[in-house]
Amino acid sequence: AQSVTQLGSHVSVSEGALVLLRCNYSSSVPPYLFWYVQYPNQGLQLLLKYTTGATLVKGINGFEAEFKKSETSFHLTKPSAHMSDAAEYFCAVSDLRGGSNYKLTFGKGTLLTVNP
Amino acid sequence: GAGVSQSPSNKVTEKGKDVELRCDPISGHTALYWYRQSLGQGLEFLIYFQGNSAPDKSGLPSDRFSAERTGGSVSTLTIQRTQQEDSAVYLCASSLTGPEAFFGQGTRLTVV
Repeated sequence: AQSVTQLGSHVSVSEGALVLLRCNYSSSVPPYLFWYVQYPNQGLQLLLKYTTGATLVKGINGFEAEFKKSETSFHLTKPSAHMSDAAEYFCAVSDLRGGSNYKLTFGKGTLLTVNP
Repeated sequence: GAGVSQSPSNKVTEKGKDVELRCDPISGHTALYWYRQSLGQGLEFLIYFQGNSAPDKSGLPSDRFSAERTGGSVSTLTIQRTQQEDSAVYLCASSLTGPEAFFGQGTRLTVV
């Protein structure tokens, strides 16, 4: 079975500081990996995804993540935090074992707060 | 519509009542997923539709939960005899092909 572990349920950074949100996964087949962001009382918005090809993927709002197969990791980074980045972030994994069924397995989420 | 639409946005119901939650996917999206987000369990997969068929119902927590999809479009998630543990945000997502799914705003269900 797939699983996703997000280290740190709560991360706090200062505005302008580096953001690093950690995600490790387990999957017996090559995975598809995702980061979603959720603002209060809203649905999930896709930040970025890794499917195949380049292991460093860039997403919206200046975020990027690197797929490291040897470490089974997909950490999310942003060089300089902005107040508007405060939200909850979810890492998720999917695979194609179910044919066209790309159901997602999510981590528990990391709440990012940005201090002025 | 431009995105996935869910209704109602909030629903308060009495324990033991039945509720129906609606999802309007993005036009043309053949795949539709329901997820549940709760404080204790996080985000959990419930059911997957491809067209009007549901080949994966493995996440439905009990036989009180059912879902259908008609015309390859609108989907309804029904919870019978609601219990307090059913209180959660129910999220719907749709996709055209491939793994990128687009989520709706969710329905917050409160069972009192």
